[in-house]
Amino acid sequence: DQQVKQNSPSLSVQEGRISILNCDYTNSMFDYFLWYKKYPAEGPTFLISISSIKDKNEDGRFTVFLNKSAKHLSLHIVPSQPGDSAVYFCAASASRGGTSYGKLTFGQGTILTVHP
Amino acid sequence: DSGVTQTPKHLITATGQRVTLRCSPRSGDLSVYWYQQSLDQGLQFLIQYYNGEERAKGNILERFSAQQFPDLHSELNLSSLELGDSALYFCASSVDGGGAVTGELFFGEGSRLTVL
Repeated sequence: DQQVKQNSPSLSVQEGRISILNCDYTNSMFDYFLWYKKYPAEGPTFLISISSIKDKNEDGRFTVFLNKSAKHLSLHIVPSQPGDSAVYFCAASASRGGTSYGKLTFGQGTILTVHP
Repeated sequence: DSGVTQTPKHLITATGQRVTLRCSPRSGDLSVYWYQQSLDQGLQFLIQYYNGEERAKGNILERFSAQQFPDLHSELNLSSLELGDSALYFCASSVDGGGAVTGELFFGEGSRLTVL
């Protein structure tokens, strides 16, 4: 049972354009969502997160949008740079009593390639 | 560098054998998490320890066990290994019981296990 799905295994974008990575979830108990980036031979690194009480969170070139009714979130990268080429994982957690217990459920990942 | 150290980085062994993966969390982090990433899969949560005690359990096989020691390092023991256990095993840490504020986990570079 895949509770977090990233339906696009890969995405190719030109440098300077927008990259949009999508993620869908099924578990309505999820209330915190995160994006991680992973380079080859490295562990995933935290990129940006969003709480379910918000519908948008922005950090520099990265913006995450959350549509709770559709159980969908997306990561926008503007402008895309070749250094952004990596695997992007969407993750979700269900907090209890306001504390997330770190049991993140990950999607399968999307390989982003940004061409110069 | 996330500050999370995993050893060994690579391990090749035979079916039926037993291996131990080791993780040292970031200085000051009390929680340790273990995740498994099989080929073309997202990261699957295995188990979490907080300050020496088991906090949450995921899809961890009975052949697998883990523990967190008083110095907060953790070990993941995999026994009676099967071909399907070949995967990347990631350790992550957070300062509290679940990265309550941001949900952020800090991942090590992973231990790649190959079972032949």
